[in-house]
Amino acid sequence: EPEVTQTPSHQVTQMGQEVILRCVPISNHLYFYWYRQILGQKVEFLVSFYNNEISEKSEIFDDQFSVERPDGSNFTLKIRSTKLEDSAMYFCARLGADTNYGYTFGSGTRLTVV
Amino acid sequence: GESVGLHLPTLSVQEGDNSIINCAYSNSASDYFIWYKQESGKGPQFIIDIRSNMDKRQGQRVTVLLNKTVKHLSLQIAATQPGDSAVYFCAETHSGTYKYIFGTGTRLKVLA
Repeated sequence: EPEVTQTPSHQVTQMGQEVILRCVPISNHLYFYWYRQILGQKVEFLVSFYNNEISEKSEIFDDQFSVERPDGSNFTLKIRSTKLEDSAMYFCARLGADTNYGYTFGSGTRLTVV
Repeated sequence: GESVGLHLPTLSVQEGDNSIINCAYSNSASDYFIWYKQESGKGPQFIIDIRSNMDKRQGQRVTVLLNKTVKHLSLQIAATQPGDSAVYFCAETHSGTYKYIFGTGTRLKVLA
């Protein structure tokens, strides 16, 4: 099963700084997603990305967030000015596998805002 | 509003026993459900799925049951093993969106 690779695995940043989280899925997939998981809580939808455009975003995904797929391969989530409450695990996912319409998740980036 | 929730936050079972993890959902329009397993430090992994036109689906040692009447989903794990220790999430969606709503998660602890 092809994997979704996320980098970095852990990032510590100061409040107010910009961070870029990276995801490298298989390039021939069209549907990608970012979810986040605050420690001990549920996995929350942030944004879906289809054919190089945002198709849906949640209320969490405010103006501080943006997504790009600049080179047709890497899929990035940018947080312009991080807040303490942005501390969470961020998961990238692609839609699908051979036999289901679920997600294949990356291993996540743990973002710690101090 | 729409929600997916779990009855038990933590479930402890003896190795070899069967485990049952429950989930309630409130969106009657949801027609596709997935159970995910999340081990410490990893992303959620697909376990089994079920469509709303079914009430039961079996995999290897796992069975998912869907009761649309009461909007209830369960995951049964047969002969639970130490490697089954993880947090289990149910997730729901309705056709065409592929945007999933996740439940809060149940931690399964397998006792030796």
